[in-house]
Amino acid sequence: QKEVEQDPGPLSVPEGAIVSLNCTYSNSAFQYFMWYRQYSRKGPELLMYTYSSGNKEDGRFTAQVDKSSKYISLFIRDSQPSDSATYLCAMNSNNDMRFGAGTRLTVKP
Amino acid sequence: EPEVTQTPSHQVTQMGQEVILRCVPISNHLYFYWYRQILGQKVEFLVSFYNNEISEKSEIFDDQFSVERPDGSNFTLKIRSTKLEDSAMYFCASSEAQTGDYGYTFGSGTRLTVV
Repeated sequence: QKEVEQDPGPLSVPEGAIVSLNCTYSNSAFQYFMWYRQYSRKGPELLMYTYSSGNKEDGRFTAQVDKSSKYISLFIRDSQPSDSATYLCAMNSNNDMRFGAGTRLTVKP
Repeated sequence: EPEVTQTPSHQVTQMGQEVILRCVPISNHLYFYWYRQILGQKVEFLVSFYNNEISEKSEIFDDQFSVERPDGSNFTLKIRSTKLEDSAMYFCASSEAQTGDYGYTFGSGTRLTVV
């Protein structure tokens, strides 16, 4: 079983839709959970960072962590064409962060 | 906003040649990382570096790879004898804390093409 599982998509939604992106993981030592956005041929850009189970909201983005189920989610409300990118979940315990495969999202106008 | 700078943006090299990829991390960050992303595949951890030594490395980071912080600002990744399968985007990242509090800041990457 891979350490971090993420459906690579692609996922295509109309503008204004709510997007749900998810990852599961197997290593219970992971303590820090992040979502990165990556545009084509660019480096990952940190979107959200969470430590504990629960929800964290930042504008149109909500990150959710359920440590008991080893499951994390990112919700994007009122999605915009500019949200079109690959979204990577990432998590770490010490100082080697592991990424999911990334989900490619397209928001159509 | 502070950023991680990587040079060159694109490097083409012949198989068997040595390459050095350069990074300037954010100035007050203490932890430095190299990641690799083969086209269409996931971002893979290579190595982390703290206090002038390697903290962790993955199975990808074999004897062909080395890292160095030659001065107070640069952080380099050297590949001694490049192979075709080394062709990938190489990302440098830095963080303030070991646990990646506030996440890592990534550079825009160096696209390495081995021919």
